[in-house]
Amino acid sequence: QLQLRESGPGLVKPSEALSLTCSVSGGSISSRAYYWGWIRQPPGKGLQWLGNIYYSGRTYYIPSLESRITMSVDTSKNQFSLKLNSVTAADTAVYYCARRVDHRYTLDVWGQGTTVTVSS
Amino acid sequence: QSALTQPPSASGSPGQSVTISCTGTSSDIGGYDYVSWYQQHPGKAPKLMIFDVSKRPSGVPDRFSGSKSGNTASLTVSGLLPEDEAAYYCSSFEGGNNSVVFGGGTKLTVL
Repeated sequence: QLQLRESGPGLVKPSEALSLTCSVSGGSISSRAYYWGWIRQPPGKGLQWLGNIYYSGRTYYIPSLESRITMSVDTSKNQFSLKLNSVTAADTAVYYCARRVDHRYTLDVWGQGTTVTVSS
Repeated sequence: QSALTQPPSASGSPGQSVTISCTGTSSDIGGYDYVSWYQQHPGKAPKLMIFDVSKRPSGVPDRFSGSKSGNTASLTVSGLLPEDEAAYYCSSFEGGNNSVVFGGGTKLTVL
């Protein structure tokens, strides 16, 4: 059974970079049938899709974050990562990684989520 | 502000049916059959309940059904159970930006 697990610092200072990793187990990140995405949820608010990456390294980012966001994939470790630069308090959220089905735009497997707080 | 519009709350008694709406535009819901619905219990990750407007993943009870008309998608939960109490989020492919957009979520209360 496919499982995803996010990891990374829970506290980041303003203006610094947020870095998270999603470890995939029970399946290969190199499957051609899926993309690997990041979604966040600010406290008490709804979900926001940030973008996704294919095993080949092809990425898509939402326009509002395109200048600050980088996603990468390490197929040898079966992991993919998120880096968000120049964070502010508005980036405080629970960050989820998820698997997106190609050609379907549905997120069928989610990680448990990790809370990231931006504060000095 | 979310791209898709959902009512903030909905409620029903055990055994009843409730329908949650999700309104978008011709650039998302109206233009593509890529509507999904997710259930989220407090402190938990979202769980996929419906994809491609009306398809259920394996293991999701048939009490959950989805439909679409024009720019509005709907999730119906029949035979409400206490464990159905959760937040429900719709999502859709958005063709203008080639992205996934979500609704603001609907808190379903089982009275």
